[in-house]
Amino acid sequence: DQQVKQNSPSLSVQEGRISILNCDYTNSMFDYFLWYKKYPAEGPTFLISISSIKDKNEDGRFTVFLNKSAKHLSLHIVPSQPGDSAVYFCAAEGHNFNKFYFGSGTKLNVKP
Amino acid sequence: DTGVSQDPRHKITKRGQNVTFRCDPISEHNRLYWYRQTLGQGPEFLTYFQNEAQLEKSRLLSDRFSAERPKGSFSTLEIQRTEQGDSAMYLCASSPRGRAGTGELFFGEGSRLTVL
Repeated sequence: DQQVKQNSPSLSVQEGRISILNCDYTNSMFDYFLWYKKYPAEGPTFLISISSIKDKNEDGRFTVFLNKSAKHLSLHIVPSQPGDSAVYFCAAEGHNFNKFYFGSGTKLNVKP
Repeated sequence: DTGVSQDPRHKITKRGQNVTFRCDPISEHNRLYWYRQTLGQGPEFLTYFQNEAQLEKSRLLSDRFSAERPKGSFSTLEIQRTEQGDSAMYLCASSPRGRAGTGELFFGEGSRLTVL
């Protein structure tokens, strides 16, 4: 069963505009969430995280929002740049878990 | 380079052959994970080690799969009698703390397996 879902396999955005990537989860025991970015032929690299005690975390152009009641998180990239074009994975982990659960990814294409 | 390294990067084998992948984690990390990723999917958990102890294995890990981490340093993932369904990217990741949630996973570049 897929406990972390990314329902949009792809997203195309114009350079300079906002990119919004969404992620839903089903397990209420998850309390730590991360976004990873993956370029072709490379392993995923960590981008930004958020603990369940917060509802927002910002790092430069990247902001993650967490809505616990809706079991939903989103990643905002503002302004989007062509170098942001990659596959973005949402991941979740919980206190009693010893592993991350990943979504299926959203491929972001930022057009110049 | 002090990141996670995996070897080989790409392995092509015939069905029925055995393959072994190696992962060298970041040296001070005590947790080591193996994930598998197929096309269009996110990484799926296979197993993890806390130092040399293998603490959890996924149901995805059939009897043909075995992983070791002798002395709590590098790890190997062996697949015996490979099947075409084993074709995937095998990702290794390490984490510095007892609970991965206190930090992120650091991934290697992966070992791509193609079974003909």
